[in-house]
Amino acid sequence: AQRVTQPEKLLSVFKGAPVELKCNYSYSGSPELFWYVQYSRQRLQLLLRHISRESIKGFTADLNKGETSFHLKKPFAQEEDSAMYYCALLQGAQKLVFGQGTRLTINP
Amino acid sequence: DGGITQSPKYLFRKEGQNVTLSCEQNLNHDAMYWYRQDPGQGLRLIYYSQIVNDFQKGDIAEGYSVSREKKESFPLTVTSAQKNPTAFYLCASNRDGTDTQYFGPGTRLTVL
Repeated sequence: AQRVTQPEKLLSVFKGAPVELKCNYSYSGSPELFWYVQYSRQRLQLLLRHISRESIKGFTADLNKGETSFHLKKPFAQEEDSAMYYCALLQGAQKLVFGQGTRLTINP
Repeated sequence: DGGITQSPKYLFRKEGQNVTLSCEQNLNHDAMYWYRQDPGQGLRLIYYSQIVNDFQKGDIAEGYSVSREKKESFPLTVTSAQKNPTAFYLCASNRDGTDTQYFGPGTRLTVL
């Protein structure tokens, strides 16, 4: 069964420190993965997708098929990065399977 | 994402009552989705619809029902059969052939 696991419910780092949010998946095919973010009092929104291989707000995520991982990284955390982050796997044509989410807190 | 609205923002219900949550979009999106968001469990898919007059069960459809009579609207009814209905409900939509989902602001349902 397709599954997405985010092992950390909470993650706290200091401003300026590197941050890595972990995401592992199980999928019997070629996966398409995404990171969604929900800032305080804002809607859930797409942050980035692995196909685009882009950097958004300084965040990058590399798909590692050998380790079945899609960790989200940023070299220098900023206070405005504090939010809830969800990793998601595309199932079929349009359905998304979400992980449990990680609440990231950036301390000043 | 401003084109997706959910109402009401907060909803209170007594046990044994059915309640309907509204979701409307003016983005001309074909597909619409309902998720339930619980702390520590992420988002779980309740129902989805890829076209008018058609919808499919998601992972946790028991105790819920939906309709898709218009492209713009995808209401969710939480029935008295849903054993633990207190949660935050999110509606989303996307254009057919694309994978980015756009989310509404959510409805927080509390059963008293």
